[in-house]
Amino acid sequence: DVKVTQSSRYLVKRTGEKVFLECVQDMDHENMFWYRQDPGLGLRLIYFSYDVKMKEKGDIPEGYSVSREKKERFSLILESASTNQTSMYLCASSLWSSGAPDTQYFGPGTRLTVL
Amino acid sequence: SQQGEEDPQALSIQEGENATMNCSYKTSINNLQWYRQNSGRGLVHLILIRSNEREKHSGRLRVTLDTSKKSSSLLITASRAADTASYFCATKNTGTASKLTFGTGTRLQVTL
Repeated sequence: DVKVTQSSRYLVKRTGEKVFLECVQDMDHENMFWYRQDPGLGLRLIYFSYDVKMKEKGDIPEGYSVSREKKERFSLILESASTNQTSMYLCASSLWSSGAPDTQYFGPGTRLTVL
Repeated sequence: SQQGEEDPQALSIQEGENATMNCSYKTSINNLQWYRQNSGRGLVHLILIRSNEREKHSGRLRVTLDTSKKSSSLLITASRAADTASYFCATKNTGTASKLTFGTGTRLQVTL
């Protein structure tokens, strides 16, 4: 079974702090994704990566950056946390191949509160 | 951008009843997937239907797809309390390799 783990289930940070959210998958998937989930807005894609050191902006990249130095690990960075970044953050991975259905496997989520 | 819209936003039924959720989308798709999310947890893939398919079954799940109307429905038959969760549709849009676009979800409550 694919396993996607996230470094924290709950995180409380202060405004202006630099925040790192880590995600690790164990199935050698090429694609990895970071979403945020807010009530009534569903999942919104922040960034995704289709290979080591490769990244692409999603729908709401402002205020975030990412890092993918190893295939299994994808980090989301909040350079200077703000209260409007309080949210549930979900990491996912998927296999890349021509014609792949792109089924995504999700981690348990990190609920971040910025005070 | 979000393109999937689920309807209804919330649904409450009794155990044993069927639950139907609908999803509408806006652009051409390669496939459509349904995911489930238990409260405060990650999403789990349930079922996938390709754009050239009209209906698919998996256990108590039945998915239909109408590409002419750009809509899909998920039917859960003989619901159980354990089916209580949020359900999301996600589309793999033509020309957007590897990305999925998720809807806003339907929250299903199954009571005893």
